[in-house]
Amino acid sequence: QQQVKQSPQSLIVQKGGISIINCAYENTAFDYFPWYQQFPGKGPALLIAIRPDVSEKKEGRFTISFNKSAKQFSLHIMDSQPGDSATYFCAAGGDTGFQKLVFGTGTRLLVSP
Amino acid sequence: GAVVSQHPSRVICKSGTSVKIECRSLDFQATTMFWYRQFPKQSLMLMATSNEGSKATYEQGVEKDKFLINHASLTLSTLTVTSAHPEDSSFYICSARAGRDSYNSPLHFGNGTRLTVT
Repeated sequence: QQQVKQSPQSLIVQKGGISIINCAYENTAFDYFPWYQQFPGKGPALLIAIRPDVSEKKEGRFTISFNKSAKQFSLHIMDSQPGDSATYFCAAGGDTGFQKLVFGTGTRLLVSP
Repeated sequence: GAVVSQHPSRVICKSGTSVKIECRSLDFQATTMFWYRQFPKQSLMLMATSNEGSKATYEQGVEKDKFLINHASLTLSTLTVTSAHPEDSSFYICSARAGRDSYNSPLHFGNGTRLTVT
């Protein structure tokens, strides 16, 4: 129930294309869904996050789509750039009360020039 | 803002020795800090949660006597790997949050410490 399943494991997208990464969760108590970006040898950095009261959130080229009934959420990277090449982690957790995050298994994105 | 500094970034130690890793929140007071371990090309595995002034809560399977966590102040938490063995070699990452509300006080990560035990 605590798992967050992430797919695909790896993704190659051409420059300018759309990168899509999907996650699914089981625990209906989760009410906070962030995405993190990690470059090799660095810690993860928060990209964008969503609460389940909205179905979509957009920040620049990054969009989270959220489907509460299906317990799924996805990250869309529009106009993907080589600098976006990194590992992306979805996560889920409680919004309040010091609750810990459960991370997905990660997606290695490579944007080819 | 919201910078988490972790030191050292890399450390090599001999088997049987102890290593201390520091995690500092530079521009905010961290009510809660988390310690993660990450193996190559794998996800982040939560090791323990620490709140300032209280004992850390360890995840199942994490040896509390081996991985000592001290959250001494609202800006500093330390992880000490005691009697290190080669299998402890890994990437250790700390994270910190200022408040209780994840959305408004998101988790911020340090840049990690690469530990190699020879």
